[in-house]
Amino acid sequence: KAGVTQTPRYLIKTRGQQVTLSCSPISGHRSVSWYQQTPGQGLQFLFEYFSETQRNKGNFPGRFSGRQFSNSRSEMNVSTLELGDSALYLCASSPGASNTGELFFGEGSRLTVL
Amino acid sequence: AQSVAQPEDQVNVAEGNPLTVKCTYSVSGNPYLFWYVQYPNRGLQFLLKYITGDNLVKGSYGFEAEFNKSQTSFHLKKPSALVSDSALYFCAVRDPNSGGYQKVTFGIGTKLQVIP
Repeated sequence: KAGVTQTPRYLIKTRGQQVTLSCSPISGHRSVSWYQQTPGQGLQFLFEYFSETQRNKGNFPGRFSGRQFSNSRSEMNVSTLELGDSALYLCASSPGASNTGELFFGEGSRLTVL
Repeated sequence: AQSVAQPEDQVNVAEGNPLTVKCTYSVSGNPYLFWYVQYPNRGLQFLLKYITGDNLVKGSYGFEAEFNKSQTSFHLKKPSALVSDSALYFCAVRDPNSGGYQKVTFGIGTKLQVIP
């Protein structure tokens, strides 16, 4: 089975721009979660989608948004980028039917905001 | 609210020696606990989990973890460290009362450095 695929792997943006990141989960997985990883903060939960519905949301401003498509692929969008948005954005998938299973992570999209 | 603490930013251990990476948690009810490892420029990989049953759980690459309910801890251990174990380790907790929701709370991570 193919793993979780995130695109793009690296990108550079300037303040004020917006960015869209994509995540393709493992085939059959219906839950997709997004995390922001920074050296000082560790992994911060952004949101989780299951069957095209947002089930959970972390404490991030409204500039951060996401969606999930009928094929379970997910995108997250950050508008009006700030320097502090520079981070590794990780996507994780799971079957979603149970909360005892582990998450399967992609390799991340590293965003640099200049 | 659930939370995880990893009290050590970095752990240094000599190759061949036993290693321990510490984790404590806070969650209502019985927790679901996980350990993940992250190598440079990679995503996180699952190592092991505790859901219920035996307090000592075994996982990938020779790692194990001990669940201690009275101390609310879930320390990661390995009897003999390898240089290739050098990586960033994350402890994570999920509230069992969250239903199918996949909100997992991660610790800040502990960098393990195994010295040859």
